Formats: sequence, structure tokens, C-alpha cells
Amino acid sequence: RKEVEQDPGPFNVPEGATVAFNCTYSNSASQSFFWYRQDCRKEPKLLMSVYSSGNEDGRFTAQLNRASQYISLLIRDSKLSDSATYLCVVNGQAGTALIFGKGTTLSVSS
Amino acid sequence: GAVVSQHPSRVICKSGTSVKIECRSLDFQATTMFWYRQFPKQSLMLMATSNEGSKATYEQGVEKDKFLINHASLTLSTLTVTSAHPEDSSFYICSATSGGQYNEQFFGPGTRLTVL
Repeated sequence: RKEVEQDPGPFNVPEGATVAFNCTYSNSASQSFFWYRQDCRKEPKLLMSVYSSGNEDGRFTAQLNRASQYISLLIRDSKLSDSATYLCVVNGQAGTALIFGKGTTLSVSS
Repeated sequence: GAVVSQHPSRVICKSGTSVKIECRSLDFQATTMFWYRQFPKQSLMLMATSNEGSKATYEQGVEKDKFLINHASLTLSTLTVTSAHPEDSSFYICSATSGGQYNEQFFGPGTRLTVL
């Protein structure tokens, strides 16, 4: 089983749509969880950290279910500029490397 | 957010030459830096973990004599690809962390290496 699994997509949605991405991780000892965004031929950029209680940042909502080892990202009111690859990322202790999923590709069209 | 720079952003070199890539944390001290490699349509793969003042820890399958890492200060790590070959062509990205509570890591803009 891969350490971090994501549906690769692509997800093709119209502007204004709501879209949800899911991710599962295999290491129950994982301590930190993130969603990164990566544009084509660019470096990943931190979109948001995922906290145990769930958290929201504008149109983006992230949730964590430790029992099911499952992380989600919800994007509301999609914009053209949201088109990118969204990477689910986990890691263990501070100072250790991040483990990346392969990413889910989102394409928002007008 | 924290800023990490990488230099150069793009390199084209002949087979057999060595290429040095620098990674700097500009506004924080990075206790740990990481080097990743990403091939087209693939996920980022960790190559090595670099702690200031100590030897880097390489992932399985990564040749330490080919990919030399030096982490001389809390703001600078370098990756040298020695005797580069076409199969080393890839997108090399560093990241740095100050080891905060949530272990957030910040990435450099990456270096695209093409070996002819």
C-alpha cells in the first residue's frame, strides 16, 4: 500500500462549482498533514495545514479523520485560478521529510 | 510565509559535467533542509535530508557519491550532481523547515536540470 494515496483525476469542473479531494495515508503515526498546490513546472506551495478539528481558509476547507486515516480538501466557488495539482502531504516527527501523494489535478473552466 | 531561494533556476549542461545547486532560507534559520527530485508527471521523491553541520542522510537508491550535499550553515545547503548524465535530467527542489510545531516546510522554486 502506498504511503499517501490520492485520486489523480483530472477533475474538470465549471467555475463556481464545489469540488472535493480525498486522500488516505498508511502510517498511523503521522503527525502533521498538509495540502500543497503545485502549478505546472513550479514548486509546491503550501495551501493549508490540516488540523485535527478541521480548518477553513476562505473557500478552502480541510478535514482530518485520524481513525480512518483520511484527509479531505473542499474547494467552494471554484475559480479559473484554482486550476492546479493538489498534493496531499503527511509526515511524522518534526524535522522529518514530507511524504507526498502523487497529486490530484483540477481544471476549472469558464 | 518563509522564503526559500534556489539557484540556478535552470541548467543545461553536457554529459559528464558537475552541477551545483544552492538552496537558501532567506528569512529564517533552517534546522533541516530536504532535497527532492521530480520527474514529469511523477510525485516528488525525497533524495536526502540535510542537517546543518552533519552528514546528509540519503534515501535508499540515491547514490551519495553522485549527489553531494553540503549543509554548511543554517541558511544554506548545496546539492552537487557529479558527472551528470541524461538520466539525471529532472526538476530538483529543496525545502527547508525551522522545525516549528506543525513542521511546515517551504520550498524553493526548483532547478530544472537538462543534461545533453
